[in-house]
Order: sequence, then C-alpha cells, then structure tokens
Amino acid sequence: NAGVMQNPRHLVRRRGQEARLRCSPMKGHSHVYWYRQLPEEGLKFMVYLQKENIIDESGMPKERFSAEFPKEGPSILRIQQVVRGDSAAYFCASSLNRYTEAFFGQGTRLTVV
Amino acid sequence: QQPVQSPQAVILREGEDAVINCSSSKALYSVHWYRQKHGEAPVFLMILLKGGEQKGHEKISASFNEKKQQSSLYLTASQLSYSGTYFCGTETQGGSEKLVFGKGTKLTVNP
Repeated sequence: NAGVMQNPRHLVRRRGQEARLRCSPMKGHSHVYWYRQLPEEGLKFMVYLQKENIIDESGMPKERFSAEFPKEGPSILRIQQVVRGDSAAYFCASSLNRYTEAFFGQGTRLTVV
Repeated sequence: QQPVQSPQAVILREGEDAVINCSSSKALYSVHWYRQKHGEAPVFLMILLKGGEQKGHEKISASFNEKKQQSSLYLTASQLSYSGTYFCGTETQGGSEKLVFGKGTKLTVNP
C-alpha cells in the first residue's frame, strides 16, 4: 500500500504564475488535510477536505488559494498569481477517519522567484 | 485554537529523559503526536482519543488528561535517533474535525 504521494516534490514558479500541488491520499483514505510550513516553523493548517467536499478552509487565504478533492483523482491545492511570500513547503496528510492517524506525504517545496 | 507546546526546545544527553507538554484552551477530542526531522515529512508517533488514556510506543509514551485539556509525551532513555521536532496536533470537541498543530518542540540528543 503506497503512502501519501505528493507531486511535484519541488516546484519553481515566477511571480504571477500559477502553482498546482497534487496529493494522492493513501488507498481508502477519504480525509485530506493541507498544511504550510516555513523553515524552522510549525505546520500551519490550511484546509480540510473529504471527498468532493471542503469541510474547513479557515486556514486558507481568501484570495488566490483554492483546494479541491474530486471524486476521482488527487486533491489539488492551487495558488494563483504566486508571490514571493508563498514560498514554503506544503504538506498534505490523509486519514481513514477521525479516529485514526493521519499520514503525511513528503511535501512540495514551492519556490517563487 | 492552536495548542501550546512547552518547552520550545530541549537538549539532552543520550540516555536522559524528557517530557513535552501540549495544552489547549478548548475541550479536546483527540491528540496526535508526530516527530519531524529536518527536511523530512512528519512521522506519526501515536494518537490519544477522548477518554483519558496513556499509550506506549517502545520508550516513547504519552498521556491525555481530558479534564485539563492536556497531553504529555514522555521520552525515556533517549537515543540519538530521537532528535527532531515534536509536534502535537489536536482536534477540538464540537469542531470540524480539523487537526491543528502546535509550534513544535525541538529536541536535540547529544552523545
């Protein structure tokens, strides 16, 4: 059973471009979480999704950021018109349900130049 | 809603013990503990659910005091491999089931 897969592992974008980060949860997992981490800092909650539904997006900036978890395919975190401050590591995690552990992917390191 | 971890950093010699605390201002449904090494993904250690319990994992164990809304992670006879940043994640009662992490405790184990 493959773990949580994130791609790409590294992404470089110029200011103003769009960034698309993908997360394939573990098989059978229907809960997906996205977190942002700056160097030497903690994991900042962004959004929590279940299949086809956004459950909690209280950590997402209101503009330029969006997330989805379609019925088929990976969860996508989309950042439009990226700025230098968006540079960070973005981790996703998946779980079977609220009673079980969440497993993290290896993260996508986004660099905006 | 972010849990508060203490201490922020700990330096140990191999074989020493450490306790990392995690507290919340809201009633908790669950507490999750993770360890992250530099440049890597967080790795799951254990989950404690509402009901006040203690769990063990080799020489690492944790307790969850539901009434005090606190959890503690106990590392005994520390090994060099225990070095890393430890995060507690909490899910609050009556919330959306989202998992929110504290700022982390950096543990360094020296020979």
